[in-house]
Formats: sequence, C-alpha cells, structure tokens
Amino acid sequence: GDSVTQMEGPVTLSEEAFLTINCTYTATGYPSLFWYVQYPGEGLQLLLKATKADDKGSNKGFEATYRKETTSFHLEKGSVQVSDSAVYFCALIRSNDYKLSFGAGTTVTVRA
Amino acid sequence: NAGVTQTPKFRVLKTGQSMTLLCAQDMNHEYMYWYRQDPGMGLRLIHYSVGEGTTAKGEVPDGYNVSRLKKQNFLLGLESAAPSQTSVYFCASRRQGADTQYFGPGTRLTVL
Repeated sequence: GDSVTQMEGPVTLSEEAFLTINCTYTATGYPSLFWYVQYPGEGLQLLLKATKADDKGSNKGFEATYRKETTSFHLEKGSVQVSDSAVYFCALIRSNDYKLSFGAGTTVTVRA
Repeated sequence: NAGVTQTPKFRVLKTGQSMTLLCAQDMNHEYMYWYRQDPGMGLRLIHYSVGEGTTAKGEVPDGYNVSRLKKQNFLLGLESAAPSQTSVYFCASRRQGADTQYFGPGTRLTVL
C-alpha cells in the first residue's frame, strides 16, 4: 500500500537557520505530493503541493521538489522565523484514489 | 464562507458513554473525511464519504460509525467510548476532481 516516511523530530532551530525536512514515499503510479502545516491549536493547512515529477511547489518561503527517481519530496526553507514553529506533514494521494496518506509529522520549533 | 467547522471543540467522556461529533462544510464539496491524530502516528483515516448518503471505512474504523444524510454534514459517532479513543479528531472535505483537502480546527476528545 501507499506510505509516507518523514524524518523524525522534534527539530529545534534558531531564527534565520536553514530548515530541511526529509520525506520519501512508496506508491504505485504517479501520486500528487503535499506538505501540510499545523500551527499550535489549529487544524492542518495546505502549505504546498506538486502533481508531477520535477514540479516544485513553493509557498511562504518553503520549497519542495517532486523527485520521482528518489521517490522524495523534501521540504526546505532558507531562513526560518519563530512563526514557522509548527508540525509539518508530508502526504500523498493517487489520482484514482480518494484518500490521503500522511507521514507521522515533524515538529519544528524555532527559537528567537 | 466558514470553510470546515467542527463541534464540539473539546469533550470529556467516561468509558461506555456515547457521543456524536459534527462536521459541516459550506464549500459544496462532494468528499468528506474523518481522521484521528495521535502522537507520532500522523493522521489516520477513520471513515470517509464520496457523496451524500454514502460512507466507507478507512484505516481505523472500529468503534466508530458515520452518517452523511446531507451533503454539507458528516457525523462521527462513538457508541461506547473507550480510553483508546482519546485523540484529536479532524474532519476534512474535498471537491470532486481536486486533490486538496480542507481541514477543520479539530475536536479534542478525552475518554476517562
């Protein structure tokens, strides 16, 4: 079945540091890939997505590139802020399916 | 346009009690989902619906029932609550043909 593996946290960084969260997936066909973010006390929000190989999703300074050869969708941000403290989830959905498959989530804390 | 709303936000139950969680969306989405979020496990799909009057089981359906009598509402029921059902429950919806799910703010349930 489909599965998503993302790096374990928690991750603690200083402001303006570089952030990378690794995500790899297993799925048949050509899934769409997502990063969702959950700020403290809130529901999940879509951060970015990519629907085909070599696509780059970007939003709020975050980027992730769909790498089919390595089945990866790593999330990066060049200079994090305290407001980026959240839980980040990698997810996928196959085009002929109804359901998202989520990774376990990575908690990121950014200190001033 | 409120998006996806969930009631209640918090609830404490005793073992064996029953309750219903309500999810409502005003985006006219065809698909609706119920997830539970537990530490270190990401989001796991409980049940989902692809349209009014239809429901299907997800990964972890045992102990839960659902109903979708109206397109905008998706109810999650616990007939006899157990401590293992202590969790945060999220509802989501998605438009048919789209790949992005929109999440509600969550319901924190504690079963004593």
